[in-house]
Amino acid sequence: QSALTQPASVSGSPGQSITISCTGTSSDVGGYNYVSWYQQHPGKAPKLMIYDVSKRPSGVSNRFSGSKSGNTASLTISGLQAEDEADYYCCSYAGSSTWVFGGGTKLTVL
Amino acid sequence: QVQLQESGPGLVKPSQTLSLTCTVSGGSISSGSYYWSWIRQPAGKGLEWIGRIYTSGSTNYNPSLKSRVTISVDTSKNQFSLKLNSVTAADTAVYYCAGSYINWFDPWGQGTLVTVSS
Repeated sequence: QSALTQPASVSGSPGQSITISCTGTSSDVGGYNYVSWYQQHPGKAPKLMIYDVSKRPSGVSNRFSGSKSGNTASLTISGLQAEDEADYYCCSYAGSSTWVFGGGTKLTVL
Repeated sequence: QVQLQESGPGLVKPSQTLSLTCTVSGGSISSGSYYWSWIRQPAGKGLEWIGRIYTSGSTNYNPSLKSRVTISVDTSKNQFSLKLNSVTAADTAVYYCAGSYINWFDPWGQGTLVTVSS
């Protein structure tokens, strides 16, 4: 069970859109529609932003969206705002009642 | 609204056992379909799922930690606990407890830093 692969960093200007990828295998991301995404500001606990690949919890802005193609899931943030600057982590069900996280992506809003 | 709070020693000696407790408030630990998980994060690194428990006592563990981890639940105290034995410096991390509903984690506790050092 290896960590999912995410880019170390991405950046964008306010108002722009960015996409963070999360690559796994057919044993995790590709095998199940159970990818979730978490936002983590410095010193804070992670916050659920997307679950089941593309569903948004109540209270999460519709600027956040998720998708999946094959073994790669993606988180897209549109209309970037300064408050979106944070670390983002993907997570996937990996079978046998286990879960695996990605290494995290630092989003910088320029 | 359910809230979680971790507690336990912030310093553990190498080879000893790390013990943490998560207290659930704002709801019963036995209600609904929640599982209760532990997740950790070494400084500057990513998240690692440790394991989970259902209120029936049924557990699932990360295969890489399974030989050293025990998660238990005390429904009378609305708490669940983590024990990690034979710790080394590599176990130094912020430890989070979280509710896990089906295949996602929410809500989360604020996290507690555990340092393994002599």
